[in-house]
Amino acid sequence: NAGVTQTPKFRILKIGQSMTLQCTQDMNHNYMYWYRQDPGMGLKLIYYSVGAGITDKGEVPNGYNVSRSTTEDFPLRLELAAPSQTSVYFCATRRGGNTDTQYFGPGTRLTVL
Amino acid sequence: TQLLEQSPQFLSIQEGENLTVYCNSSSVFSSLQWYRQEPGEGPVLLVTVVTGGEVKKLKRLTFQFGDARKDSSLHITAAQPGDTGLYLCAGGLTSGTYKYIFGTGTRLKVLA
Repeated sequence: NAGVTQTPKFRILKIGQSMTLQCTQDMNHNYMYWYRQDPGMGLKLIYYSVGAGITDKGEVPNGYNVSRSTTEDFPLRLELAAPSQTSVYFCATRRGGNTDTQYFGPGTRLTVL
Repeated sequence: TQLLEQSPQFLSIQEGENLTVYCNSSSVFSSLQWYRQEPGEGPVLLVTVVTGGEVKKLKRLTFQFGDARKDSSLHITAAQPGDTGLYLCAGGLTSGTYKYIFGTGTRLKVLA
């Protein structure tokens, strides 16, 4: 099992460009999350999903959009990239029920110039 | 806005020393997780505590959840260079939506 995979690993965008960060899981987990981690900091929740077709905002959703058409995929869309979106983005999953364990992907390092 | 503050932010110690990392909030959490993150990788779960006053041990690591479920501590005994990394606490919100708030992180370096 691959677990949680994220693509791309690295990306440089120019201000105003758009892109989609991909996240795929093969664990059949209901819950999926997108976090951003600024240098030397903890993680901040951008969006999350409790199942296919259901998404909701986290702490810092502005400038981002998500969709969840399947259990496996949870892409994060950046429209009109800004330097403030320079960060490392992590996708995570959680099985559900009484377990709190989140499984994280390896991250996507995004730089907006 | 719910916040989780960790202290200290940075810690550099010699191999064999003991240390404690704190995670504090004014909010009550349904659970508290501790993660360790290596450079270039995602966080990996170390432990989850759910009951106020709960203490869990993982080899040389001891985790405690405060009685009021607002704070937690991580104690490492006889630190080793392999303990080096970023330690993050995360609190489960009590709203039932299964969202988590992450702490600000403690960067630990253990020198051989």
